[in-house]
Amino acid sequence: AQSVTQLDSQVPVFEEAPVELRCNYSSSVSVYLFWYVQYPNQGLQLLLKYLSGSTLVKGINGFEAEFNKSQTSFHLRKPSVHISDTAEYFCAACGSTGTASKLTFGTGTRLQVTL
Amino acid sequence: NAGVTQTPKFQVLKTGQSMTLQCAQDMNHEYMSWYRQDPGMGLRLIHYSVGAGITDQGEVPNGYNVSRSTTEDFPLRLLSAAPSQTSVYFCASSYPYGELFFGEGSRLTVL
Repeated sequence: AQSVTQLDSQVPVFEEAPVELRCNYSSSVSVYLFWYVQYPNQGLQLLLKYLSGSTLVKGINGFEAEFNKSQTSFHLRKPSVHISDTAEYFCAACGSTGTASKLTFGTGTRLQVTL
Repeated sequence: NAGVTQTPKFQVLKTGQSMTLQCAQDMNHEYMSWYRQDPGMGLRLIHYSVGAGITDQGEVPNGYNVSRSTTEDFPLRLLSAAPSQTSVYFCASSYPYGELFFGEGSRLTVL
């Protein structure tokens, strides 16, 4: 079984500043990792995913994440945020022999972008 | 292009009542799942299905039943609602290791 820890419940940031949302995982097997975003009163949508290959993964809306196996981390970054990035962000994992329908989610990080 | 459709969007129940949350997808995805979202707890998996006729329990299955008679539909049944089941419920579908496509959610209040 996997567990996912998002270290910050809220991250306030000014518009055009860089941001990093932290995610750590624990698992006894190889994992696949995901970041999802949830805008108010909506379902979740995929930002990016790591299955294999390059440890730097680029996603939609200018976000990227880096898989670090030694530190069991998958932090999400954006070099310059916009007001429209205000949302809740979820890190998720599943075992590499499992299915993406059986994701384990972190508790979420609320990104609040202000002028 | 409907994607994943959940009904109803809002529901209020009294303790002990039963109801079914409906979920339908039109993307021919094999995999479907139900999650509940509670403040400060993220999303927790209730039940999932890897194909028609095949279902399995997730992290928090107690109090919920599911069935999968067709590829398209994956209803979630609450047999005897309890206040602890007050939550927002999300249905999702995917290909193996693919992107999870979520519905817009069903907000359930149990009094």
